[in-house]
Amino acid sequence: EDQVTQSPEALRLQEGESSSLNCSYTVSGLRGLFWYRQDPGKGPEFLFTLYSAGEEKEKERLKATLTKKESFLHITAPKPEDSATYLCAVQAIQGGSEKLVFGKGTKLTVNP
Amino acid sequence: NAGVTQTPKFRVLKTGQSMTLLCAQDMNHEYMYWYRQDPGMGLRLIHYSVGEGTTAKGEVPDGYNVSRLKKQNFLLGLESAAPSQTSVYFCASSGEVNTQYFGPGTRLTVL
Repeated sequence: EDQVTQSPEALRLQEGESSSLNCSYTVSGLRGLFWYRQDPGKGPEFLFTLYSAGEEKEKERLKATLTKKESFLHITAPKPEDSATYLCAVQAIQGGSEKLVFGKGTKLTVNP
Repeated sequence: NAGVTQTPKFRVLKTGQSMTLLCAQDMNHEYMYWYRQDPGMGLRLIHYSVGEGTTAKGEVPDGYNVSRLKKQNFLLGLESAAPSQTSVYFCASSGEVNTQYFGPGTRLTVL
């Protein structure tokens, strides 16, 4: 069964304290791994897509990396506005169709 | 360019009532999806559509029906609402089966 596990469930950082969020997955034939950001009361906002091991993508203070079994979202010198829940999803084939399987998310809080 | 919009934003129903949630996208996407998000459960796919006139079941389809009569719209119906359907519902669309763009959500409470 295709599974996505995110850790930790919650993370508190001080402003400027860099850290990483983890997304581990088991899927038969990875077609893509996605990171989303979700603010309270809003829909998920697309951040990155990674397709193959070794691939990296960056956006401002965020950098996503991918290995054969997991992805990391590195946050460098975070600011309070980076506080949000970060969702990871993998593109998998289920029931003959390609779908996204989501993890439960990591809630990040950055204190000033 | 509004992206993905959802109507209504909030709704309270009594058990047994019916309602329809509307999703509209202006990106000319072929694929559209309905998810529900519950605390501790993550996003779960209810139904999806790979094009106008097509629908298919996702992970948790029971108690819901959908229709895609127009390419830009995807409707989610609850024929007889139950308290277990209290959730936040998100619609998404994509041009291919990746990079899904989400709407702002509908918060539904069933009493």
